[in-house]
Order: sequence, then structure tokens, then C-alpha cells
Amino acid sequence: GAVVSQHPSWVICKSGTSVKIECRSLDFQATTMFWYRQFPKQSLMLMATSNEGSKATYEQGVEKDKFLINHASLTLSTLTVTSAHPEDSSFYICSARELGIEFFGPGTRLTVL
Amino acid sequence: GNSVTQMEGPVTLSEEAFLTINCTYTATGYPSLFWYVQYPGEGLQLLLKATKADDKGSNKGFEATYRKETTSFHLEKGSVQVSDSAVYFCALYNNAGKSTFGDGTTLTVKP
Repeated sequence: GAVVSQHPSWVICKSGTSVKIECRSLDFQATTMFWYRQFPKQSLMLMATSNEGSKATYEQGVEKDKFLINHASLTLSTLTVTSAHPEDSSFYICSARELGIEFFGPGTRLTVL
Repeated sequence: GNSVTQMEGPVTLSEEAFLTINCTYTATGYPSLFWYVQYPGEGLQLLLKATKADDKGSNKGFEATYRKETTSFHLEKGSVQVSDSAVYFCALYNNAGKSTFGDGTTLTVKP
């Protein structure tokens, strides 16, 4: 099946700094990618839909100025957590669809101190 | 709106036991249904899928049948192994362009 990668797999940062997470579709082109957040022992919460060449679509309650999404090419979407705070600590997962199947990245564990 | 309800966990079984994880859904139109598996510290992997009523998805000994009349997609395996220990998510996708996930069910299989 198709492969989606994420980088980094984990990151620790100080409160107030910004962190960028990359999501790549390795063997297919993705005009749309999805960003999820997952809290421990909970399900995935869709944060936003990333659209190549246009603005991302954010879910209700997700701050677009806090979670900046850029989808500059057909294989790369980035999520930047700006001015991160401890409550932003979470597991972030991206995905992309190909041929009707959603393929997920391995996730990025963000810890904000 | 769309929703997916999964059997609450955690589920603990002995090796070679029979597994059932219930999943029911509410959706407009005719969604595709999926089961995903998540191992600790990893993203989700597709386990199996079904795209229309009465389809049966199967993979690695797991099966689930798309039952439109009961709006269900229960996951079953006849004989579980320790390596099946993971979190299982039921999900649906329809023409709204987004996936809807259940809350996940944690399965632990003991030797």
C-alpha cells in the first residue's frame, strides 16, 4: 500500500517555541492530507484538512493561527504549532487518501516543557 | 451527522480465544467502513475494509461484514495471538470527505 511518512517522530521543546511537523506521501501524490490529534487512550480528533495550493480547512474549535498548515506540494504538508504550551503536548498524526483508502503516518509525539 | 460507536474496552483474552469487537454506525448515504489497528507509539494501519452492504472484509484472520440492516461492522477473529494486542478503531468514510472514528478498543491477549 501507499506510504505516508512523518518527521520528526518525536520532539521536545520549551514553552513558547514553535515546532514544525512534516508529512510526506512517499509513493503517490496527495492533493488532500489530514491532520489529527490523539490524546492518550483516546480516538483521533480531526484538526484540519490540508489542501494543496490553497488554505487549509480547520475543524470547529481548532485555532488556525495556533496550528499553521502549509501544503506547498503534492507530496508534502506541514503543521506548525506556534508558541507551543504544555497543553499542546500530544500525538499528532497525518494521513492522505489514495484509491479510497486513508493511509496514516507513524505519528509525531510532541512534548512541550 | 456521522458517528461510530465501538464496544468499550479494554478487552483481555487468552491466546487462541475468539474475538468480537462490536461496531455500529450512523451515517448519511452509503459509507465505506474500515477497521484500523494501532500498535503502541505508532500511527494507524488499515486492517480491513468494506465498501458496500454485505461485503466482507478480511485480513490476517480478521473479518468484518458490512450489515446495512443493523448498521454494524463487527470485527471477529477465530483465534487471537499475543501479537494481536493493540488498539482497534472502527471508522466510516462517506462523501463528506472526512473519516469518522470510533473511540477505539484496546485488546490485550495473554499467553
